[in-house]
Amino acid sequence: EAQVTQNPRYLITVTGKKLTVTCSQNMNHEYMSWYRQDPGLGLRQIYYSMNVEVTDKGDVPEGYKVSRKEKRNFPLILESPSPNQTSLYFCASSSPASGRAYEQYFGPGTRLTVT
Amino acid sequence: GENVEQHPSTLSVQEGDSAVIKCTYSDSASNYFPWYKQELGKRPQLIIDIRSNVGEKKDQRIAVTLNKTAKHFSLHITETQPEDSAVYFCAVGAQKLVFGQGTRLTINP
Repeated sequence: EAQVTQNPRYLITVTGKKLTVTCSQNMNHEYMSWYRQDPGLGLRQIYYSMNVEVTDKGDVPEGYKVSRKEKRNFPLILESPSPNQTSLYFCASSSPASGRAYEQYFGPGTRLTVT
Repeated sequence: GENVEQHPSTLSVQEGDSAVIKCTYSDSASNYFPWYKQELGKRPQLIIDIRSNVGEKKDQRIAVTLNKTAKHFSLHITETQPEDSAVYFCAVGAQKLVFGQGTRLTINP
């Protein structure tokens, strides 16, 4: 089954404790992105990657890091989480080679709480 | 950078009536305009999209119209049904995507 997976789905952590949210897709998509969703603000792009070893900042990259060492994986790293990073996070992938070039396939989401 | 404004933030319509959601954007070079639907507790899913060389696109009860001169595009849902209740997001861009703030659509039976 074609899908985007994220782990963990729920995470409660404390300020300053490094964490990684994993994202993996099995559709051989070139593009991958991370978004955060906050009430009243919609979805805001954190980082995106157009291929292996190619990443770029989205609209709200501060406090986040990403890496793209393999095509299928795009982990999101919070080196020193703060309470303002409490949010719902979505990973997404897409492929310009597909019939729907920029359709984002979203993962199930990760609800992060930083206390 | 791109700025996307979406209105209204909430919309309540009677079942069977039509619903219209509008978005405006700032970058005249933008050329891809998708709409996503997010049901409660679920992930967003693409429902329709339009490119800048097209003024209107329909898919059954859903249509999107684009006015490039005025830099706005709209989602039209006709003959609304209870399963249309969800949050709808417009977006602008391609691999770098900017979303609107969302519209919570409620269909009243």
